[in-house]
Amino acid sequence: AAGVIQSPRHLIKEKRETATLKCYPIPRHDTVYWYQQGPGQDPQFLISFYEKMQSDKGSIPDRFSAQQFSDYHSELNMSSLELGDSALYFCASSLVGLNNEQFFGPGTRLTVL
Amino acid sequence: QKEVEQDPGPLSVPEGAIVSLNCTYSNSAFQYFMWYRQYSRKGPELLMYTYSSGNKEDGRFTAQVDKSSKYISLFIRDSQPSDSATYLCAMRPSGGGADGLTFGKGTHLIIQP
Repeated sequence: AAGVIQSPRHLIKEKRETATLKCYPIPRHDTVYWYQQGPGQDPQFLISFYEKMQSDKGSIPDRFSAQQFSDYHSELNMSSLELGDSALYFCASSLVGLNNEQFFGPGTRLTVL
Repeated sequence: QKEVEQDPGPLSVPEGAIVSLNCTYSNSAFQYFMWYRQYSRKGPELLMYTYSSGNKEDGRFTAQVDKSSKYISLFIRDSQPSDSATYLCAMRPSGGGADGLTFGKGTHLIIQP
C-alpha cells in the first residue's frame, strides 16, 4: 500500500538559512499534519491542514510556515534556522472522518550547523 | 507536568513473555487513544486505535482504556525480538477533525532472544 512520502530524507543547513520540507500524503487522504521530534523526545505537533486550510496549530515557531496545495501535498518552510531546529520532522496524513487515523511518513532529518 | 506520562524504560523482557506498556494522562478531554511503534530513526507506525473506555484486540496486541482512571495500556503476547522498539502512546480530544496528537515520551522495549 502507498505510504506518506517525505522529501528530502536528509538535509543539512547552516544557521540563519532557510529550509523547505515536502510531504506527499497517502492517495485520497485530505489532511496532513507536521510533527517535530528532537533527539530522545516524543513527536511534538506543529500544524495541520484539512482541504488546504489550516486546521489546528500546535507549538510551531513564528519562523516556520506551512501550506497545503491543490494536490494535497504540503510544504513546511523554515526560516532563520537555529541549532535547536535540528530534529526529525514527520508528516502524517489522514482521511477526515469517524476514526481519522494518522499515518506517518519516514521523516526528514534536519541538521543545522 | 506533561499532559501524557509514560515510563521511558528501557523495559527488557525475555522472548515469549507478555509485555505491559502504560500511559497516564491528565486531560479529561482526550477521547481517542493510539499506540504507535517506532524503530530507531523511522516514522511512528500505527498499531492500535481505540475510542473511549474498553478493550480492543488485534492479533498479539491488546489495547485497554480506563477513562475513569485516565490510564491506557498496551499488552503484547508472545513477544518477539522484532518487537524491540520504542512504543509511543498518543491521544486526541476528537476523532473526526484534524487535531494534532499529544504523545507520551515513549517506552523503549527490548525483547531478549
